[in-house]
Amino acid sequence: AQSVTQLDSHVSVSEGTPVLLRCNYSSSYSPSLFWYVQHPNKGLQLLLKYTSAATLVKGINGFEAEFKKSETSFHLTKPSAHMSDAAEYFCALDSNYQLIWGAGTKLIIKP
Amino acid sequence: EAGVVQSPRYKIIEKKQPVAFWCNPISGHNTLYWYRQNLGQGPELLIRYENEEAVDDSQLPKDRFSAERLKGVDSTLKIQPAELGDSAVYLCASSRGLAGARTDTQYFGPGTRLTVL
Repeated sequence: AQSVTQLDSHVSVSEGTPVLLRCNYSSSYSPSLFWYVQHPNKGLQLLLKYTSAATLVKGINGFEAEFKKSETSFHLTKPSAHMSDAAEYFCALDSNYQLIWGAGTKLIIKP
Repeated sequence: EAGVVQSPRYKIIEKKQPVAFWCNPISGHNTLYWYRQNLGQGPELLIRYENEEAVDDSQLPKDRFSAERLKGVDSTLKIQPAELGDSAVYLCASSRGLAGARTDTQYFGPGTRLTVL
């Protein structure tokens, strides 16, 4: 069965420092993987997606993620955090026309 | 281009009462999804429509939940009667094609936050 595990429920970083949000997956086939962001009282917005092309995927707002098959990981990174990045982030994979979601990681930015 | 529209944004009801949520997808999007998101969790798919046909409702609790997508555009999700455990955010999403998440990005509405007292 397909599953997604986000390894941290909360991540706290200082503004201007790097961000790392961790995501591991389990899949019986080579999946497509996604990162979405959810700001308070807003809908989920796609940050980036991996669909078996380049393993390093660049997304919006300076985020990128690297697909590592050997580690079954798809971690999200950003070189320098901004206050506006404070939100909840969800990793997901495709399974039979639907998305299987992780539990989310809340990103907290300290001034 | 307008995004996915949902109403109401918030709803508070007492248990055993009925409630309905409405979704207007992005114009031209053929696939529509209803998800439920509990606090501290990722979304859980309830039902997926391709045009007006419900092609995956395996996770919809059919004893109390119902949905429709008349004319393949707007959709309504209903709960009757509501239970305390139904308190959650109900999200609607749409995608352009019928090829699934691998190639079709899902666009989400802001959700309806339901509180059942």
